[in-house]
Amino acid sequence: DIQMTQSPSSLSASVGDRVTITCRASQGISDYLAWFQQKPGKAPKSLIYAASSLQSGVPSRFSGSGSGTDFTLTISSLQPEDSATYYCQHYDNDPYTFGQGTKLEI
Amino acid sequence: QVQLVQSGAEVKKPGSSVKVSCKASGGTFSNYAMSWVRQAPGQGLEWMGGIIPILGTAIYAQKFQGRVTITADESTSTAYMELSSLRSEDTAVYFCARGGGYGTFDDWGQGTQVTVSS
Repeated sequence: DIQMTQSPSSLSASVGDRVTITCRASQGISDYLAWFQQKPGKAPKSLIYAASSLQSGVPSRFSGSGSGTDFTLTISSLQPEDSATYYCQHYDNDPYTFGQGTKLEI
Repeated sequence: QVQLVQSGAEVKKPGSSVKVSCKASGGTFSNYAMSWVRQAPGQGLEWMGGIIPILGTAIYAQKFQGRVTITADESTSTAYMELSSLRSEDTAVYFCARGGGYGTFDDWGQGTQVTVSS
């Protein structure tokens, strides 16, 4: 199984800050990588697919990059509503595993 | 925009089974992958399996092989997940999700709390 490792596990930042979350796959997954945002008591929301493609309706301050084993999610200018837990997930082959999550506090 | 509406919370005894439904509206059903992902209390997300209704055959994570059955009813645009031989560790929120292929989760249901307790 492919293991997905995120860092950091948690971070605190201020409104307007630029924040980067990293995700590493235990083996190469090309660009079969998605990012999700989850707020407490809610379902996850898809932000990015194919490592860098923004889902419709997602603010442009969110961006993704990477290929192979190393990926990043960047929020260019933090807003209060970005407080959430973020997960990466690969879909190269099954089982389709998620990272352990990064809790972002604003 | 597709909407996925799941069935309500369940409380089950250890050893029993639970069946959760997920009704899709506002979009195409048969050609998309309908998947199930669970989240134990305070934990991360875990993929259980999925089905593409028009193909009819489900795939499952090895961890759940033999205990989970995922089906889909094209006539009602509803996907189902049945988990058997329940144990306390199965207490979790179960989400359905739709995507363009296996392992993709573009749209999500609201989640169904399943509690396993004697």
